[in-house]
Amino acid sequence: GNSVTQMEGPVTLSEEAFLTINCTYTATGYPSLFWYVQYPGEGLQLLLKATKADDKGSNKGFEATYRKETTSFHLEKGSVQVSDSAVYFCALKVGGSEKLVFGKGTKLTVNP
Amino acid sequence: DTAVSQTPKYLVTQMGNDKSIKCEQNLGHDTMYWYKQDSKKFLKIMFSYNNKELIINETVPNRFSPKSPDKAHLNLHINSLELGDSAVYFCASSLLSGGGYNEQFFGPGTRLTVL
Repeated sequence: GNSVTQMEGPVTLSEEAFLTINCTYTATGYPSLFWYVQYPGEGLQLLLKATKADDKGSNKGFEATYRKETTSFHLEKGSVQVSDSAVYFCALKVGGSEKLVFGKGTKLTVNP
Repeated sequence: DTAVSQTPKYLVTQMGNDKSIKCEQNLGHDTMYWYKQDSKKFLKIMFSYNNKELIINETVPNRFSPKSPDKAHLNLHINSLELGDSAVYFCASSLLSGGGYNEQFFGPGTRLTVL
């Protein structure tokens, strides 16, 4: 089946620290990969995506590269801000299905 | 100019009651979804409708019944509420992706608490 595994949280960092949130996947077929972000009290928003191997998705200083050989899509940011505090979800979608399969989410807290 | 809206935002009710959550989108999308997020933040799809037709139906108790009166609305009715139904329910919408990908836009969520 299709599944996503994210690093367990919570993650607590100081402002301007480097962020990595690990994500690996198992999929039948060739998935598209996503990172969604959920700010406190809000719904999910798409942060970035990649649809084929070696694609790099980027947005708001966040990046993730689709690595087919390691079935990974790790999220990185060089310098986090307090406003980045949120829950981050890695997700996949296999072509032909409308279903997004989410990881369990990683809560990030950035302290000033 | 809310894109995906849900009502109510909070719902507190007793076990055994029947309740509904409403969702509306004004994005012109043809596909809508219901997701359940449990207390550990795990998010899982429940249903999806495309142009009022059910296209995804995960293993969900039949106490849950989605209804789509038109492609801009997808309501979730829950009968005989149980303690385990307490969660945040998110509605989402998109254009039908087919073999590709179209972004799903999420509503703000409805926090259901069953006492």
